[in-house]
Amino acid sequence: QKEVEQNSGPLSVPEGAIASLNCTYSDRGSQSFFWYRQYSGKSPELIMSIYSNGDKEDGRFTAQLNKASQYVSLLIRDSQPSDSATYLCAVRAGGSYIPTFGRGTSLIVHP
Amino acid sequence: EAGVTQFPSHSVIEKGQTVTLRCDPISGHDNLYWYRRVMGKEIKFLLHFVKESKQDESGMPNNRFLAERTGGTYSTLKVQPAELEDSGVYFCASSQGPARWDTEAFFGQGTRLTVV
Repeated sequence: QKEVEQNSGPLSVPEGAIASLNCTYSDRGSQSFFWYRQYSGKSPELIMSIYSNGDKEDGRFTAQLNKASQYVSLLIRDSQPSDSATYLCAVRAGGSYIPTFGRGTSLIVHP
Repeated sequence: EAGVTQFPSHSVIEKGQTVTLRCDPISGHDNLYWYRRVMGKEIKFLLHFVKESKQDESGMPNNRFLAERTGGTYSTLKVQPAELEDSGVYFCASSQGPARWDTEAFFGQGTRLTVV
């Protein structure tokens, strides 16, 4: 069974710090990796996607993928209180178009 | 442009009753997905429509759940009869074109279902 594991947190960081969110997955055939942000009571919103090993940067967000170690991480630089949300990791295998989600990590950025 | 909308936002029903959830995808999106998140668990896939056809319903938990998408527009998910373990948040998502998440699937805000 394909599994995506995340620490549920909460992860608490001070404003301006780097928040590091981690995700591991069990299916070595996974090829697409996504990070979603979900505010309480709102819909999940795609913030990053990554497909190859290495780093991908978009503004304050950096996604890191290491297929050999089967983990994907999300770094948020200069964290803001508005970044406080649940971050969902989703992984899609090569033969599937439906991603498998982790339980999400709750991030709290305090002033 | 309107996003994915779901109705109702909340529903509280008694065990044994029937509930119907509705999802209106983004206009022009052929792909529609239903997901469910039970308290404390991960978001789990239920099924996938391409237009009016069920492409993949491998995640449907049992035959108390019936999804339809007549005419390939909005979709309904009926739970009959509802059980306590059906409580959770039901999400709908839609995507354009081929069934590839890379084209960015958009989620609705979800329907919180509570069975008492």
